[in-house]
Amino acid sequence: GAVVSQHPSRVICKSGTSVKIECRSLDFQATTMFWYRQFPKQSLMLMATSNEGSKATYEQGVEKDKFLINHASLTLSTLTVTSAHPEDSSFYICSARQAGREKLFFGSGTQLSVL
Amino acid sequence: AQTVTQSQPEMSVQEAETVTLSCTYDTSESDYYLFWYKQPPSRQMILVIRQEAYKQQNATENRFSVNFQKAAKSFSLKISDSQLGDAAMYFCAWYNQAGTALIFGKGTTLSVSS
Repeated sequence: GAVVSQHPSRVICKSGTSVKIECRSLDFQATTMFWYRQFPKQSLMLMATSNEGSKATYEQGVEKDKFLINHASLTLSTLTVTSAHPEDSSFYICSARQAGREKLFFGSGTQLSVL
Repeated sequence: AQTVTQSQPEMSVQEAETVTLSCTYDTSESDYYLFWYKQPPSRQMILVIRQEAYKQQNATENRFSVNFQKAAKSFSLKISDSQLGDAAMYFCAWYNQAGTALIFGKGTTLSVSS
């Protein structure tokens, strides 16, 4: 079946550094990628939606200069948390929509801890 | 804007019993999809069941079935013959026809006791 590979699964970084999270669709083309963050025992909050080759659409309240999303190809989307702070510590998860179909596939998530 | 509401933060059920998780949503669109996802402690999202809004027939997947009431904008999940492995957080989600929006409810934590 279709797989979305998300890396890293866990990252610990110092405050002020930038962290890049990758989501790669291994055997299908992903025209749309959804990026979510999830706090413990809470829901998945949509941060932004990206379409291949165009700028991401951010949800209200999400700082686009802080959470940089790039979807340069049909198989790769990245989320970069710039100048991370402890309040950015969270679980980040991506979901890819297969081109031409309504099917969705989730990455396994990235636990970000900012010290 | 679309919203998805799950009014039960926690539910519990005994093994072999049946439990129903509630979900309501709000949308002005006529064509869309609804999903129930399971998130175990590993936090991997697992699709439990999906429903196309244009289909009147309720979806079923083995022990899982839904009660889809389009006019009432209600989409509940019934788990029959509950098993210990069903314990997880369950999310109801709305997905538009264009594939550009996927919105989750707040989730229901299901515990299963033996």
